[in-house]
Amino acid sequence: DTAVSQTPKYLVTQMGNDKSIKCEQNLGHDTMYWYKQDSKKFLKIMFSYNNKELIINETVPNRFSPKSPDKAHLNLHINSLELGDSAVYFCASSQLAVREKQYFGPGTRLTVT
Amino acid sequence: GQQVMQIPQYQHVQEGEDFTTYCNSSTTLSNIQWYKQRPGGHPVFLIQLVKSGEVKKQKRLTFQFGEAKKNSSLHITATQTTDVGTYFCAGRGSSNTGKLIFGQGTTLQVKP
Repeated sequence: DTAVSQTPKYLVTQMGNDKSIKCEQNLGHDTMYWYKQDSKKFLKIMFSYNNKELIINETVPNRFSPKSPDKAHLNLHINSLELGDSAVYFCASSQLAVREKQYFGPGTRLTVT
Repeated sequence: GQQVMQIPQYQHVQEGEDFTTYCNSSTTLSNIQWYKQRPGGHPVFLIQLVKSGEVKKQKRLTFQFGEAKKNSSLHITATQTTDVGTYFCAGRGSSNTGKLIFGQGTTLQVKP
């Protein structure tokens, strides 16, 4: 059984387009995250939701808008895509306790041309 | 803001050699986690250290958390080709948001 799943796995699109990435977890966790991994493999937190409430909102362009319809889902919508948005986006989940590990999804490789 | 620095960025070793990656935080951490990401894969949790001076072992992997809870290391004894990947440390500060600050990662290549 897949614990954290993301769709799509690959996304190729042109500059200026709007796209969404979906994430679902079946672990019963109360917290979900979006990370961006650039070409140098640097992994940076973007957003986090706890029980559908936004608790982490890093310095991210407002073209990025997360939405959490319920505890098991966290989607990421990106408007007016730019070349610099090309990266791998990982969704993760955990149970919000200080000592809890995070489970990562397989990632979505976004390429903006 | 809180920063976590990790060195080296890359390491190439011959199979059977040892490998160590080091992690340093600008602030005291409540705990530190280590993740491994295989090429083309996603980060997978390895271990968490919580106590000052803590040492944990997983087969050939040894993890340490510094006395001041600001630094950590991962040591692999007698590397194997299956150890190939990028190793990340991730520190958690005192906030209750669950936010992890990841180090830049160390990419390990093992020559057979």
